Amino acid sequence: AQRVTQPEKLLSVFKGAPVELKCNYSYSGSPELFWYVQYSRQRLQLLLRHISRESIKGFTADLNKGETSFHLKKPFAQEEDSAMYYCALRGGIQGAQKLVFGQGTRLTINP
Amino acid sequence: GAGVSQSPSNKVTEKGKDVELRCDPISGHTALYWYRQSLGQGLEFLIYFQGNSAPDKSGLPSDRFSAERTGGSVSTLTIQRTQQEDSAVYLCASSLGIAGGLNEQFFGPGTRLTVL
Repeated sequence: AQRVTQPEKLLSVFKGAPVELKCNYSYSGSPELFWYVQYSRQRLQLLLRHISRESIKGFTADLNKGETSFHLKKPFAQEEDSAMYYCALRGGIQGAQKLVFGQGTRLTINP
Repeated sequence: GAGVSQSPSNKVTEKGKDVELRCDPISGHTALYWYRQSLGQGLEFLIYFQGNSAPDKSGLPSDRFSAERTGGSVSTLTIQRTQQEDSAVYLCASSLGIAGGLNEQFFGPGTRLTVL
């Protein structure tokens, strides 16, 4: 079964502090992992995906297959990072296109 | 170009009534998805359409839920005999429908359903 766990429902850090949003997954094959973000009054949008190995808005995430984790990190948080963040998994076989989401972490950056 | 659109943006209904939610995907996107966003449950997959293939209905919570996609474009999610636990934000997404990492899903603004 596919499962994504985000252990923190709420996370609050100060501006300029490092931030890490945790994500663990359960999947027997080779998954594709994503982070989606939803800013206040905006629609859900893709932040980054593990296959791109990219940094978006200062955020990075490394897929650790040994620990089955895909934690999202940013070294210096900014107030505009306050949002709801969802980790998502997609089965890595053709046709299994649905996304399985974690329950989300609400990140608040305090000034 | 326009993104995914959904209507209505808000729907309030009485328990037991039927509701229809509409999704207009991005033009040219062959794949369409419905998800539900509710408190305590996060984002749940409901159903997935890909071209002319049989839809993946594995996420529909009960037989009160059904969805159609006419002409490979617009989709309607129907909930019959609504219950209070159906209250949620229903999100629609579309994608190019190709395999692999380029198959990004683009989400609509959602329909907030409240069942009284």
